[in-house]
Amino acid sequence: QQQVKQSPQSLIVQKGGISIINCAYENTAFDYFPWYQQFPGKGPALLIAIRPDVSEKKEGRFTISFNKSAKQFSLHIMDSQPGDSATYFCAASPSGGSNYKLTFGKGTLLTVNP
Amino acid sequence: GAGVSQSPSNKVTEKGKDVELRCDPISGHTALYWYRQRLGQGLEFLIYFQGNSAPDKSGLPSDRFSAERTGESVSTLTIQRTQQEDSAVYLCASSPLGGGGETQYFGPGTRLLVL
Repeated sequence: QQQVKQSPQSLIVQKGGISIINCAYENTAFDYFPWYQQFPGKGPALLIAIRPDVSEKKEGRFTISFNKSAKQFSLHIMDSQPGDSATYFCAASPSGGSNYKLTFGKGTLLTVNP
Repeated sequence: GAGVSQSPSNKVTEKGKDVELRCDPISGHTALYWYRQRLGQGLEFLIYFQGNSAPDKSGLPSDRFSAERTGESVSTLTIQRTQQEDSAVYLCASSPLGGGGETQYFGPGTRLLVL
C-alpha cells in the first residue's frame, strides 16, 4: 500500500523553465509534508516543508502548494537551473505518537537542460 | 560541523553472509533513523531510536535485520544471512529531538550489493 504517490517519475525541463512535481496522499492523519532533494551519491537533504494550515509556502525559487481537501501537494521550481538536476522526494508524517515516521514517495528524477 | 557519517560506503557480500553497517549521527542529536532505498524507489523506514526510549522497530522487514545504538551516539544495523533482495542503499539520519516536523539530516548511505 503506497501511502504517498508521486508523479512524474522523471521530468526534463529547459533552463529557465518551471518544474512541477506532484504528490497525493491517503492518510488524513498526515500533518507535515517535506520535500527532500538528493544528488547522486549523496543522502537526501531537506529542501522545503509545509504544514496543512497554509496553502502555499515559498522559499526562493521553490514553492510548495498544498490542497488539503484534495489531499495533494506539489513542488514548483521556478527558473529551473542545471544545478537543480537531482531526484526529488515528497514525504509525509502523521500527527501523534509516530510523528517522526516519514513516508516517502518514489521520487522524481529532474533533469534541467542548459 | 560534521554531518552524519556512514561506513562502509560500499559493501559487496555473498548471499548468506552477515553484514554490519555503521552510522555516526550529528553530535548532540538524540534521534536516529535507518532507511532502506531500493533502486528507483523511495526511502523505506526501518527503525527509529530516540534517547533511552525503546526503539521503534516496526519497519524492519524480517528478523534477519536488527539494529543497536549506544546511548546517543553510534548505531549499527546488522543484516544476518543476507539475501539478494537486501541489495539497496541503507541510509541513516539524525535529528535533534525526534519530534514531528523536525528536519532529518541524512548521511551518504552504504551501498550494499549481495551476490
